[in-house]
Amino acid sequence: DGGITQSPKYLFRKEGQNVTLSCEQNLNHDAMYWYRQDPGQGLRLIYYSQIVNDFQKGDIAEGYSVSREKKESFPLTVTSAQKNPTAFYLCASSIMSGGTEKLFFGSGTQLSVL
Amino acid sequence: DAKTTQPTSMDCAEGRAANLPCNHSTISGNEYVYWYRQIHSQGPQYIIHGLKNNETNEMASLIITEDRKSSTLILPHATLRDTAVYYCIVRAPYNQGGKLIFGQGTELSVKP
Repeated sequence: DGGITQSPKYLFRKEGQNVTLSCEQNLNHDAMYWYRQDPGQGLRLIYYSQIVNDFQKGDIAEGYSVSREKKESFPLTVTSAQKNPTAFYLCASSIMSGGTEKLFFGSGTQLSVL
Repeated sequence: DAKTTQPTSMDCAEGRAANLPCNHSTISGNEYVYWYRQIHSQGPQYIIHGLKNNETNEMASLIITEDRKSSTLILPHATLRDTAVYYCIVRAPYNQGGKLIFGQGTELSVKP
């Protein structure tokens, strides 16, 4: 089955702890994204990567870090510098054609602070 | 990228057409209109996109006004499984730096 896999589905973070959210895709897509969603709100872009070994900050990158060592994988680390990490995190990859871009999303990770 | 305005919520009877409006009065000539939907606690799902012409696929139809200042997403025969938040997004082509920005969307409730 082709798609995007996020794990874990639920994650708990203690104060001062870094946690890493996994995102893997087997769609052979070049671009990958991380979004954050707070209750009742839209999605906000954290980081994105358009090619292996390259990534750019989105609108709310502070307190987060990413890596893109393989095309299939784009893990997100929520660092201790992120003071309000409780949110639903969504990973996506995209296919581009003729100026348009279609995103495919994973099923998300709910992060909560203990 | 142009801003979009959508109603916060809408109801629709099961089996009837759901018409979801979106206003994008500041849209530029090269900006596409995209629609995604998000079922509770899942990732958004692509529905359809268009530039000038009306579009139809297996999920929905997209009607764009001639002046391109507004559009309507039509679900022809809504089912209970269509209950979701629907996002209307306007953006420039990706190779011109456009980003997909998800606002608060319209919460559609399909009722029996």
